Amino acid sequence: EAGVAQSPRYKIIEKRQSVAFWCNPISGHATLYWYQQILGQGPKLLIQFQNNGVVDDSQLPKDRFSAERLKGVDSTLKIQPAKLEDSAVYLCASSLQGAVYNEQFFGPGTRLTVL
Amino acid sequence: DAKTTQPTSMDCAEGRAANLPCNHSTISGNEYVYWYRQIHSQGPQYIIHGLKNNETNEMASLIITEDRKSSTLILPHATLRDTAVYYCIVRVEDYGQNFVFGPGTRLSVLP
Repeated sequence: EAGVAQSPRYKIIEKRQSVAFWCNPISGHATLYWYQQILGQGPKLLIQFQNNGVVDDSQLPKDRFSAERLKGVDSTLKIQPAKLEDSAVYLCASSLQGAVYNEQFFGPGTRLTVL
Repeated sequence: DAKTTQPTSMDCAEGRAANLPCNHSTISGNEYVYWYRQIHSQGPQYIIHGLKNNETNEMASLIITEDRKSSTLILPHATLRDTAVYYCIVRVEDYGQNFVFGPGTRLSVLP
């Protein structure tokens, strides 16, 4: 079974530039999550999709972050404009809809460095 | 905020059992205890979860105290590949509930 795919793996940009990350969840997984993980901390949920609808985006900084999941499969997370404090690993995860314990499967992440 | 407290770091000798503690003194009756781990440069990986009873799978054992205020993850024969950050999370078994990760315990398995 193929895992969660993310690209790019690494990205370096200057502050005020824009950046986009892509995620392809495990086939058949209806729920998709984006997390931000700052160095030395645990992952923090940014947004959760159920199919192509948003379930929870309460911690998404909506003035600069946006995410979409068109057609309920792939997803993109965008930052515009980036700030220095956005330097982090951005993790995508997916889970089966209705899974008994909602195990989340994580991708390898995209490491963003903002200079 | 995470509802659990864990030691920042631990060491374990290769081949010995690694016992990782977690305190969750404010756990509710309907909250499960989950463990994930994150190996360097990878995303977190599910290990095990439980409600009241002790649980065991091919990766680890989970021991939950009778009052459910603490638990211990046991890796019976730690290998160098078990070096990772281990996260203990409490969560209601509800599809809409998400995982809140704390900083976890950094386990170093030493040769």
